Amino acid sequence: NAGVTQTPKFQVLKTGQSMTLQCAQDMNHEYMSWYRQDPGMGLRLIHYSVGAGITDQGEVPNGYNVSRSTTEDFPLRLLSAAPSQTSVYFCASSADRKTNTEAFFGQGTRLTVV
Amino acid sequence: GDSVTQMEGPVTLSEEAFLTINCTYTATGYPSLFWYVQYPGEGLQLLLKATKADDKGSNKGFEATYRKETTSFHLEKGSVQVSDSAVYFCALKAAGNKLTFGGGTRVLVKP
Repeated sequence: NAGVTQTPKFQVLKTGQSMTLQCAQDMNHEYMSWYRQDPGMGLRLIHYSVGAGITDQGEVPNGYNVSRSTTEDFPLRLLSAAPSQTSVYFCASSADRKTNTEAFFGQGTRLTVV
Repeated sequence: GDSVTQMEGPVTLSEEAFLTINCTYTATGYPSLFWYVQYPGEGLQLLLKATKADDKGSNKGFEATYRKETTSFHLEKGSVQVSDSAVYFCALKAAGNKLTFGGGTRVLVKP
């Protein structure tokens, strides 16, 4: 039972570099999302997708791009990393958009931008 | 917009002590309420949930009751163990499937 798999687990970037955080789920979930976790601020929604080919912005989308070409994969791209993007990133998926449906989270990617 | 407020930590307890973490929310409509737990170095896991007023969610000795009149969803456990040391997040989900999280409460249980 893989669930939601994120890679890499740790990454250090220099300011201005680009990278892609990978997220894959094997539960055939319709809904996927990306959050960032910062101390004292809980998790904040970056981008989300309600299905293949459909994405939308969350609360803090600036500096990040996403795409959803398949049901399984939902990569997050940082085009030009900034120190303010130092954070822990979590990918999540859920079966549908009902309010009572549980979200499943990956183990996170700890990103440091220097 | 939707928001969740939970008590700041850290909360430090001795083993077998009673734990309460307060959570209040603001939302339009009728949200579902969740408690997620994050153990060190891991992602978030669902601890319990409640989907309508007066529902009680429970799991692993933890309980929380959906109180619409006070817009609260306080988490309680009668006797904590060292293994309960973690960060606990209160969250709500209203229409549109977007989870809104509180800031998290770190709990440290000492033997």
